[in-house]
Amino acid sequence: DAGVIQSPRHEVTEMGQEVTLRCKPISGHNSLFWYRQTMMRGLELLIYFNNNVPIDDSGMPEDRFSAKMPNASFSTLKIQPSEPRDSAVYFCASSPRGFGTGGYTFGSGTRLTVV
Amino acid sequence: GIQVEQSPPDLILQEGANSTLRCNFSDSVNNLQWFHQNPWGQLINLFYIPSGTKQNGRLSATTVATERYSLLYISSSQTTDSGVYFCAVPPGAGSYQLTFGKGTKLSVIP
Repeated sequence: DAGVIQSPRHEVTEMGQEVTLRCKPISGHNSLFWYRQTMMRGLELLIYFNNNVPIDDSGMPEDRFSAKMPNASFSTLKIQPSEPRDSAVYFCASSPRGFGTGGYTFGSGTRLTVV
Repeated sequence: GIQVEQSPPDLILQEGANSTLRCNFSDSVNNLQWFHQNPWGQLINLFYIPSGTKQNGRLSATTVATERYSLLYISSSQTTDSGVYFCAVPPGAGSYQLTFGKGTKLSVIP
């Protein structure tokens, strides 16, 4: 298995531009999570999908952030418009079972820099 | 929500030494995981251990759920063990997601 695949690995963009991060979970995993990691706040959950349905998006910082999971093998996290404070590493993770069981597998992350 | 505290925040070891990392949590949990973030930023799942003891090579973990703590043991440390070790638990009963502690930064020097 190729694991959780994220793209791009690095993204540098100018303030105000739209940014789209992509994630392919492990086949058969029915839970998908988007996390953001910064030095100040550590690892924060942004949104969680179960069976392609958003279950909890309370961690999404504001309306500029949106996430979709159109099918079981693909999810996107979009920031529009981007701001310098959005600079962080964004991780996607998937899990085989939704309810507190099974281990997470994280992707390699996308390092986003907004200038 | 649940509080997760890890100790120590920083640890420097000589190669070959043993260490114990601790994770305390403020409420009962049905899921606990240990992760290693290597110097390249990759997050690796080490253990899924809501209770009991597990071992994987030089690493082992024990969770005592009734006393709300978990320990990660690293024996005969190697430079490749360097990085940050995170403990993560669900934020509340019935929660699917994980809340991460602030981590223990381990540096193993030759």
